[in-house]
Amino acid sequence: QVQLQESGPGLVKPSETLSLTCTVSGYSISSGYYWGWIRQPPGKGLEWIGSIYHSGSTYYNPSLKSRVTISVDTSKNQFSLKLSSVTAADTAVYYCARAPGVYDRFDPWGQGTLVTVSS
Amino acid sequence: EIVLTQSPGTLSLSPGERATLSCRASQSVSSSYLAWYQQKPGQAPRLLIYGASSRATGIPDRFSGSGSGTDFTLTISRLEPEDFAVYYCQQYGSSPTTFGGGTKVEIK
Repeated sequence: QVQLQESGPGLVKPSETLSLTCTVSGYSISSGYYWGWIRQPPGKGLEWIGSIYHSGSTYYNPSLKSRVTISVDTSKNQFSLKLSSVTAADTAVYYCARAPGVYDRFDPWGQGTLVTVSS
Repeated sequence: EIVLTQSPGTLSLSPGERATLSCRASQSVSSSYLAWYQQKPGQAPRLLIYGASSRATGIPDRFSGSGSGTDFTLTISRLEPEDFAVYYCQQYGSSPTTFGGGTKVEIK
């Protein structure tokens, strides 16, 4: 079955760029679906960051759009997130997930990775 | 964007009891594009319900969803020990997709 796994640094300094990668197994990104990033600050709710299609078309949350870049590498069956100019408010567990449509339910999800923004 | 308000914030119930969780939207959710997720500590959310009332693959039939427009409900007919968790609703009818603040179902 399809599985997703996030990877990347667990600690990022303020004003720097957060970079994460999601590796997909059990399904080829090129076959379809949309691939998204969602985050959850400690003890808080969920926030959609953005999504990408295998063609490279991207869709971002307007609240983060100026700082977010999502890209896809179909040869590695991976997609990535970059979030620039981070602050402590960007400290969160970051999840990657699959969706049938650009704005759609997410299933399945990766296990998540905690990124802490601190000097 | 559509704001989703979940109530109550915490629901204290015993195993075997019925749980009723509410999700209210600040404006109508088009085509009932509403999903429910379960999240346990240290785990990713798991999709339970989509399209307001369709169960996701492998979800037991004690979980059911209903509602339309601005008012949606997740019902767990008889709580099992593994059902104690936090539940989130998500609307995906309008951009950006948004999530509610969650309802914690705890053991009484």
